[in-house]
Amino acid sequence: QVQLVQSGAEVKKPGASVKVSCKASGYTFTGDYIHWVRQAPGQGLEWMGWINPNSGSTNSAQNFQGRITMTRDTSINTAYMELSRLTSDDTAMYYCARVGARYSDNYFDYWGQGTLVIVSS
Amino acid sequence: QSALTQPRSVSGSPGQSVTISCTGTGSDVGNYDYVSWYQQHPGTAPKLVIYDVNKRPSGVPDRFSGSKSGNTASLTISGLQTEDEAYYYCCSYAGFYTLPFVFGTGTKVSVL
Repeated sequence: QVQLVQSGAEVKKPGASVKVSCKASGYTFTGDYIHWVRQAPGQGLEWMGWINPNSGSTNSAQNFQGRITMTRDTSINTAYMELSRLTSDDTAMYYCARVGARYSDNYFDYWGQGTLVIVSS
Repeated sequence: QSALTQPRSVSGSPGQSVTISCTGTGSDVGNYDYVSWYQQHPGTAPKLVIYDVNKRPSGVPDRFSGSKSGNTASLTISGLQTEDEAYYYCCSYAGFYTLPFVFGTGTKVSVL
């Protein structure tokens, strides 16, 4: 069965960077896209960006451009999202989610369990 | 691109039906038949319940249904059950290279 397993919670100081991992199993990792979505405490969902694990190409929301780096390691079926220059506003649960590679696949069918990132001095 | 607009809360008694609206623009909801809905219980990841406006993933009860008219999509839960109490978020595709996905503001469904 499809599973996305994320790395554990992180506590970071303002100005630091955080790198979250998302290990995929149960399907062909390079066949679908991995997206990143975050949710601040008590708030809604915010799309951050995607990576094509096959090509390594990425696209991110304008809000995060210059601060977000998405990579992957196909040898271990894992995607990574690194966010730099953290502020308290980046305190949130970060989710990875799968989106199919077909043009018509425009929904998140499987989600990771989430990684809580707390930014505090 | 602004978040899609949803009511903050809706409620109903067990067995009743509730409908959640999701209003966007001609650049997202009105332009693509790619609206999806996610159910989120406290402390858990979102779960897909509707995709492509009105399709249900395998395993999602048929009491969940979706529709769209113009710039507004809707999720209806018929025969409300206690386990349906959760937050629900709509999401619309909005173009590959711009901001591909826009989420709704979220609606708390309460089962009275």
